[in-house]
Amino acid sequence: KNEVEQSPQNLTAQEGEFITINCSYSVGISALHWLQQHPGGGIVSLFMLSSGKKKHGRLIATINIQEKHSSLHITASHPRDSAVYICAVQNYGGSQGNLIFGKGTKLSVKP
Amino acid sequence: DGGITQSPKYLFRKEGQNVTLSCEQNLNHDAMYWYRQDPGQGLRLIYYSQIVNDFQKGDIAEGYSVSREKKESFPLTVTSAQKNPTAFYLCASSQGPMWSPLHFGNGTRLTVT
Repeated sequence: KNEVEQSPQNLTAQEGEFITINCSYSVGISALHWLQQHPGGGIVSLFMLSSGKKKHGRLIATINIQEKHSSLHITASHPRDSAVYICAVQNYGGSQGNLIFGKGTKLSVKP
Repeated sequence: DGGITQSPKYLFRKEGQNVTLSCEQNLNHDAMYWYRQDPGQGLRLIYYSQIVNDFQKGDIAEGYSVSREKKESFPLTVTSAQKNPTAFYLCASSQGPMWSPLHFGNGTRLTVT
């Protein structure tokens, strides 16, 4: 069983829809990252959180430490949101870069 | 603009040859990392460095080597000992060892035939 599981694996949405991507993990963590990978391959860090909720523009990330679960929400989705979204966790006591990565959720937003 | 530069974007090599991937950052970050990405898999850590002249093996270091002679540079050499070198390689950096976001380069796609 993978230590970080994302769902769904693939997601197709119509422009304007509200989108939720889920991440569940099985290890104790000190932080969770949400990353965005565009078709060219470059990765952008969206959020790093250890509790509660963070919001940036149309993106919202939440985490429930007790349930070992995080969600990434996109409001009013747009075709430019099409990308692979990756959840990664920092093992409790582990070093910053030694993250455990999920396999990613491929999002396609149709106009 | 500050960022991480990886070069080249595409790299082709013959089996048995060593190849070095470049990673340069002008963010003044102390920590740098190399990851490998294969289709259908999550990123995996190859090597990381938290300070100049020091580096540690990640989960899949076999067949790879690194150096950290300068703060801004962290080149990765894929040696002929790496059994499956064809992959997408990503370099990243962060301000410190804990509680800081990662900044990624655009990656190098290496194909070995």
